Amino acid sequence: KQEVTQIPAALSVPEGENLVLNCSFTDSAIYNLQWFRQDPGKGLTSLLLIQSSQREQTSGRLNASLDKSSGRSTLYIAASQPGDSATYLCAVKVTPNTGKLIFGQGTTLQVKP
Amino acid sequence: SQTIHQWPATLVQPVGSPLSLECTVEGTSNPNLYWYRQAAGRGLQLLFYSVGIGQISSEVPQNLSASRPQDRQFILSSKKLLLSDSGFYLCAWSAGHGTYEQYFGPGTRLTVT
Repeated sequence: KQEVTQIPAALSVPEGENLVLNCSFTDSAIYNLQWFRQDPGKGLTSLLLIQSSQREQTSGRLNASLDKSSGRSTLYIAASQPGDSATYLCAVKVTPNTGKLIFGQGTTLQVKP
Repeated sequence: SQTIHQWPATLVQPVGSPLSLECTVEGTSNPNLYWYRQAAGRGLQLLFYSVGIGQISSEVPQNLSASRPQDRQFILSSKKLLLSDSGFYLCAWSAGHGTYEQYFGPGTRLTVT
């Protein structure tokens, strides 16, 4: 059974700092991995999608990497800003037949001005 | 561009009452549609998915049901709500199951009293 873990559960950093959020999964047989952002009381915003054949994806100040063999993904946020404060969720797709995503519990990030 | 809508945004219902949550997608045809629930301390869980009109697959046994009466409309229902049905319900869509990105709606906060 696939399990997704995100560590740490919460993180507080000063503005301008570069930071890394971690996501690990127990079964390396995934089709893709998606990183999301969730603001309090809101829906999920897709940040990056990494296919199983890819090693990394970049969007602006965000860079996500994927190491399937070790069951890990990281989300790197450069030059953090207070507007980056949110909960970040990673999710893996384990079968192409249903589209089912298995989510981690998330990392709640606070960037202090 | 594609847009996903959910309503209502919030709902407070007594135990034993019926439920109907609606999700609609604009700007795409024949999307795959998904209902997820986010419960406190339990993360996001896939409830139902649909690949076409009238085609519904259930991931988790419960007293909820889903229907897809039109191509871009997805409805989550219950005949009698339980306290345990409280949570944040999110609808999502994708262009296909396999390697496609999923996009989420703004969510409905349901409180069963």
